[in-house]
Amino acid sequence: ILNVEQSPQSLHVQEGDSTNFTCSFPSSNFYALHWYRWETAKSPEALFVMTLNGDEKKKGRISATLNTKEGYSYLYIKGSQPEDSATYLCASFNTNAGKSTFGDGTTLTVKP
Amino acid sequence: GAGVSQSPSNKVTEKGKDVELRCDPISGHTALYWYRQSLGQGLEFLIYFQGNSAPDKSGLPSDRFSAERTGGSVSTLTIQRTQQEDSAVYLCASSFRQGFSYEQYFGPGTRLTVT
Repeated sequence: ILNVEQSPQSLHVQEGDSTNFTCSFPSSNFYALHWYRWETAKSPEALFVMTLNGDEKKKGRISATLNTKEGYSYLYIKGSQPEDSATYLCASFNTNAGKSTFGDGTTLTVKP
Repeated sequence: GAGVSQSPSNKVTEKGKDVELRCDPISGHTALYWYRQSLGQGLEFLIYFQGNSAPDKSGLPSDRFSAERTGGSVSTLTIQRTQQEDSAVYLCASSFRQGFSYEQYFGPGTRLTVT
């Protein structure tokens, strides 16, 4: 993996469904992985910052896991609500030199 | 408290003109980042200021782009001789401490349109 890849590109679910997305990133020289939630016409909002292999973080109904050895992170949303509709971005930081690489995002639409 | 602010919110300029975009980070945040999102593209890292250290400019797309951060606070991104491909939303973010273990707080962005 040379770039940050997110899948699926878009997802449509019904209210109450649980869902998950994948972020794949270069595992070499890994430093940190960020997850952001970006609603239309708003600024990206930080969800999680993850640095350690095996990290699991949770915020309400949203949680994330990290595998730095194989280069992937999962974001889970339990019991999706319409207000969860947004684009979810992950960003990989492979050194502390400043550069980051964002994925193209997964756009989630939750239908009432 | 106040979040990251950016000005102007929208800028329309003619090709060949210079533009300045401003970012006011959250007070006390030591790190500041510039990104841009071109139409249909993902977020692209441009430049990062870490405290008083010299910034990493390698993400800037061309030598027409420059950025400075005065007094460790306000930052200005300058684009000289704008081209149509510079049209994008330019986002600024700040974080409390240096290093990418800390979450970034984004501003509302400046939408630049080059005609």
